[in-house]
Amino acid sequence: NAGVTQTPKFQVLKTGQSMTLQCAQDMNHEYMSWYRQDPGMGLRLIHYSVGAGITDQGEVPNGYNVSRSTTEDFPLRLLSAAPSQTSVYFCASRGQGGEKLFFGSGTQLSVL
Amino acid sequence: AQSVTQLDSHVSVSEGTPVLLRCNYSSSYSPSLFWYVQHPNKGLQLLLKYTSAATLVKGINGFEAEFKKSETSFHLTKPSAHMSDAAEYFCVVRPGFQKLVFGTGTRLLVSP
Repeated sequence: NAGVTQTPKFQVLKTGQSMTLQCAQDMNHEYMSWYRQDPGMGLRLIHYSVGAGITDQGEVPNGYNVSRSTTEDFPLRLLSAAPSQTSVYFCASRGQGGEKLFFGSGTQLSVL
Repeated sequence: AQSVTQLDSHVSVSEGTPVLLRCNYSSSYSPSLFWYVQHPNKGLQLLLKYTSAATLVKGINGFEAEFKKSETSFHLTKPSAHMSDAAEYFCVVRPGFQKLVFGTGTRLLVSP
């Protein structure tokens, strides 16, 4: 199993550009989520999904969209990038009833 | 609302000496608590979890944590630090099944 795979690893955007961060898992996990990590703030939940076709907002959802058309994929879309979205983004998943989150290796995003 | 406070942003130890990373939690009922570790440029990995069974929880790599309700604490310890333990450690509480709340992290520095 590859686990949780995130692409790209690094990305630089200009203010106002849009992009999609990709996340895929091959463990048949129902639950998938996106976090952002900022210095001194830990990880904050952006959006999460409990299964295909079901998504919900986390702590900091503004400026981000998600969809879950398949169990495997959970892309995160930035509609109009802002410098405040400069961060490291992590995708994580876990199985039904499981408590252990499996994390991807992260995407470092800079918005100029 | 449930939350966690990591009392130290940085902890420095010498190799072979004990490690203590402090975490206090706030919860109106018995919480589920976790410690995650993040090595440089990597995703997070679960170290251990407490879910109202034994109060002393053993994790991977020789780490353990003790749940103390009277002190609302869940400190992470290891008897003897190794150079490979240098990383950032996050104390995490689960207020609801779908969400985790992360502390701000403690960076552990291990010197030879």
